[in-house]
Amino acid sequence: DIQMTQSPSTLSASVGDRVTITCRASQNINGWLAWYQQKPGNAPKLLIYMTSTLQNGVPSRFISSGSGTEFALTISSLQPDDFATYYCQQFNHYSLTFGGGTKVEIK
Amino acid sequence: QVQLVESGGGLVTPGGSLRLSCATSGFNFFVQYMSWIRQTPSKGLEWISFISGNGDIIYYGDSVKGRFTISRDSAKKSLYLQMNSLRAEDTAVYYCATLHYGGLNYWGQGILVTVSS
Repeated sequence: DIQMTQSPSTLSASVGDRVTITCRASQNINGWLAWYQQKPGNAPKLLIYMTSTLQNGVPSRFISSGSGTEFALTISSLQPDDFATYYCQQFNHYSLTFGGGTKVEIK
Repeated sequence: QVQLVESGGGLVTPGGSLRLSCATSGFNFFVQYMSWIRQTPSKGLEWISFISGNGDIIYYGDSVKGRFTISRDSAKKSLYLQMNSLRAEDTAVYYCATLHYGGLNYWGQGILVTVSS
């Protein structure tokens, strides 16, 4: 099974900061990488799929890149609504695996 | 708009069975790949299974293989998860979701399944 490792597990930042979350796959996932945002009590919300395609309605301050086994999600200017937990997820070999999550909290 | 609503959760004793349902609307269910995912505070998000639009392609995660069965009814636009031989570690919030280019683009609100004596 492909393992997904996210870092950091927690990130403290202020409104307006540029923040980056990284996700490493245990093997090449050929760009099949998605990112989610989750707030307490709610289901995860898809932000990005296929490494860099923004889901409809997601603000352009969410930017994702990467290839092979290394990927990153950047929020260019953190907004109050962005304080949440973020997950990466891969889709390969007919299975899906999630990262452990990164909680973005107010500094 | 797209809606997915899970039902059928609750408390069940170890070794017991439960069937989850996911009623859908607002999209072309007949061609849409669907998936079940669960979440716990300790283990995070875990993919359980997905099924193709016509039901001929089905895959399961290792932790539920042989115990859980995914199915769908196009006439009812519903997705199901039959869960047998339940264990304490199956306790989680269960979500149904649509699968689109490897991402899960629409999710239900989630339903709690508790396995305990």
